[in-house]
Formats: sequence, structure tokens, C-alpha cells
Amino acid sequence: DSGVTQTPKHLITATGQRVTLRCSPRSGDLSVYWYQQSLDQGLQFLIQYYNGEERAKGNILERFSAQQFPDLHSELNLSSLELGDSALYFCASSASLQGKDTEAFFGQGTRLTVV
Amino acid sequence: LAKTTQPISMDSYEGQEVNITCSHNNIATNDYITWYQQFPSQGPRFIIQGYKTKVTNEVASLFIPADRKSSTLSLPRVSLSDTAVYYCLVGVGGSQGNLIFGKGTKLSVKP
Repeated sequence: DSGVTQTPKHLITATGQRVTLRCSPRSGDLSVYWYQQSLDQGLQFLIQYYNGEERAKGNILERFSAQQFPDLHSELNLSSLELGDSALYFCASSASLQGKDTEAFFGQGTRLTVV
Repeated sequence: LAKTTQPISMDSYEGQEVNITCSHNNIATNDYITWYQQFPSQGPRFIIQGYKTKVTNEVASLFIPADRKSSTLSLPRVSLSDTAVYYCLVGVGGSQGNLIFGKGTKLSVKP
């Protein structure tokens, strides 16, 4: 158990809909990362937050957005869903941004299926 | 972030030692080197992190030469359950702090 909790584990929804994925980081970790992994594809970095503020953006579509709340949990919002958005979405957390303690701990992921 | 290069795939047999080398020629002075393991449909799992020389934990060793332009993950006596994708990352603590995963090395352990 990595200490990172993602909910829900599975989600099936229709095209055009909007969903919210939730992540609770490890206790004390300030940094949260979101990734998308399609079948047999690599991990695509989407976005990172540190202590409530957006830190870095990767290949995140405009239809997607995220935020980190004061209690440090994070949500990833996916809207106007398309079939191609079907993927595993991972959240990770780490304690620091630089030097030691930068290792990330990943949740078990949310499997999103768009039909 | 420093770019990394590692073999796309490797094959091994149970009981053998496996060494996976990662090249990172543009590593910065304050960058750490971190390795992750990922099984299908699971999130990556942290294996080991180091800055220089050698680091060892209960699952692996990490060898880093003096110039730090490469690193080698060593897995002693692999088993079938070590079949996974292994990722080398550097610069995780860089100015942007984000984690960028490359394609990794797919290790296949055969009986």
C-alpha cells in the first residue's frame, strides 16, 4: 500500500459526459501529480500541484482540469469525454520538489471507460 | 529535465542477476537518479534513488559512476515476479519538480 488513495477504482461513462477523479496523497506529501496511461502506452504526465498551487503542466487537454485543495487532496476533472479518453489515470504524491524525498508514490489508478 | 536513454527490452532467466543501464548525459549537479518498477495495470512503484557511487536496499542496488552520466540498476537473482517495466528518471527534483517518464525497459524473466 503506497498510502495514496484514488477513487473511484473504475468508472464507465458515456461520450460527452463529465467525470471527477479524486486523489488523497500520502500523509504529509505536498506535491501531487496526475498521469494518463492508455492501453500499452507510456505514462503521460498531465499536471502537478504543490501545496495548492499548479507547478507544472504536461500534455493536459483543455477539456481536462485539476486542482489541489487546502487539505492537499486533488481532483482531476475530465469533460466532454471522448472514446479516446479511456485510460488508466494515476495520481502520485511526493514530499519534496528537490533533492532527497522526491520519490513519488503512486495510487492504484482509476480505470476510465468511455462508451 | 535531463533526458534518459535505456534499452527498450531485456530478457533474463530466473536466478540471474540483471543489470539495466540508463544514460543521462545532461544530468545537472543537483539531480538525483530514481528508478521505478511498473506491473501491468498498476501504478509505478519506487525502487531506489541515488546521487553518486552506490546505493543498496532490500530489493536492488544502484551504481553511479563518478561522472554521473549513467547509472545501472542491479536486480540480484530475479524471479518471474520481477517481469515488469523499469523506468529511470533524473532531474525529478529539478526546477520544475515534475516527473517525466520515458518508455522504460521491459524486463521479461523466463523460467
